[in-house]
Amino acid sequence: GIQVEQSPPDLILQEGANSTLRCNFSDSVNNLQWFHQNPWGQLINLFYIPSGTKQNGRLSATTVATERYSLLYISSSQTTDSGVYFCAVLDHLTSGTYKYIFGTGTRLKVLA
Amino acid sequence: DVKVTQSSRYLVKRTGEKVFLECVQDMDHENMFWYRQDPGLGLRLIYFSYDVKMKEKGDIPEGYSVSREKKERFSLILESASTNQTSMYLCASRPLRDRAETQYFGPGTRLLVL
Repeated sequence: GIQVEQSPPDLILQEGANSTLRCNFSDSVNNLQWFHQNPWGQLINLFYIPSGTKQNGRLSATTVATERYSLLYISSSQTTDSGVYFCAVLDHLTSGTYKYIFGTGTRLKVLA
Repeated sequence: DVKVTQSSRYLVKRTGEKVFLECVQDMDHENMFWYRQDPGLGLRLIYFSYDVKMKEKGDIPEGYSVSREKKERFSLILESASTNQTSMYLCASRPLRDRAETQYFGPGTRLLVL
């Protein structure tokens, strides 16, 4: 099956700093998502980005599908950015449905 | 707004008890999922369902069962809870075949088995 690896596993930033999170995947994909899990456990979708670049405020993401990686950029980080960032790719099943394969996440802590 | 709710945020059970975790979604999604999350291991899929009364094993189904009697509700059952099932449990839903659609998560249940 598809393998998804994320780096770094942990990241500590001072408020205002920029960061780049990386997701590598082992096979071609047609759906890649970035999720943020806040400190209370809620996961929220950030980007659906199987290829190309998208931006949403201080966050942007780029997926280079041919080289099997995706990057999540956080600029001018804030304490509310703290939490765990997951990359997930969609795996097509023989039953005709799909399931996500998640990376192990990057735990980000932004210090005030 | 899609809403996925879980019956409890925190749960404390004793070893050997039967435990029910309930998940309800209000967006008529065909697919529903149960994950557990443990430090350093990310999200691991326990079971999922793509239709009423249909279920498929995920990556770690041992010690768990599920029930989907209605489209909006997906239950995770621990037949005889053990301490190694202490974890955060997350439910999610998404449409069946739309590859571009995201997955929506509930708030999670933190289960402690003593």
